[in-house]
Amino acid sequence: SQKIEQNSEALNIQEGKTATLTCNYTNYSPAYLQWYRQDPGRGPVFLLLIRENEKEKRKERLKVTFDTTLKQSLFHITASQPADSATYLCAPGGNAGNMLTFGGGTRLMVKP
Amino acid sequence: ETGVTQSPTHLIKTRGQQVTLRCSSQSGHNTVSWYQQALGQGPQFIFQYYREEENGRGNFPPRFSGLQFPNYSSELNVNALELDDSALYLCASSDGQGAHEKLFFGSGTQLSVL
Repeated sequence: SQKIEQNSEALNIQEGKTATLTCNYTNYSPAYLQWYRQDPGRGPVFLLLIRENEKEKRKERLKVTFDTTLKQSLFHITASQPADSATYLCAPGGNAGNMLTFGGGTRLMVKP
Repeated sequence: ETGVTQSPTHLIKTRGQQVTLRCSSQSGHNTVSWYQQALGQGPQFIFQYYREEENGRGNFPPRFSGLQFPNYSSELNVNALELDDSALYLCASSDGQGAHEKLFFGSGTQLSVL
């Protein structure tokens, strides 16, 4: 069965450093992969979408990579700020339109 | 342009009861998806509606049902509530069902089943 793995342990980093979050998937051949941010008590907010033929996508301080051979996506936040503290969710997709299957999310804590 | 709104924000029910949750889509969006999110977990797909028809369904029993109205707003109904139904229920709208279409989520309804 399809499986999506994100590090369930919180990631604690110092302000100004680069945060790197991992999304691994198995039994999947997604054409797209989406990343969302979720703050406590709120719904997820879309951040980036990367296609299978794109190796890398950037948006301001955010960078996403997509390695279909390793079945992995990496999500980077450069020059991290305390306001970046949130849970980040990945969702590989494409075979079922935008009926997304989400990973369990990784909680990021950026300390001043 | 208004975003996705859900009501109520919180709800407490007892086991065996029925509940209806409501969602207003973002203006111009014709597709609504519902997700269940247990504490500490990622959202789990329940079903999706496109132009008033159920377009796809996740691994949820038939006691989870839904509707989409001509104005694209939507309802999620859960019958015979169980304790494990306690979760945050999220509604998301999108401008179509394509895999490239991002989802716009509401803030959710927190359901507690006692």
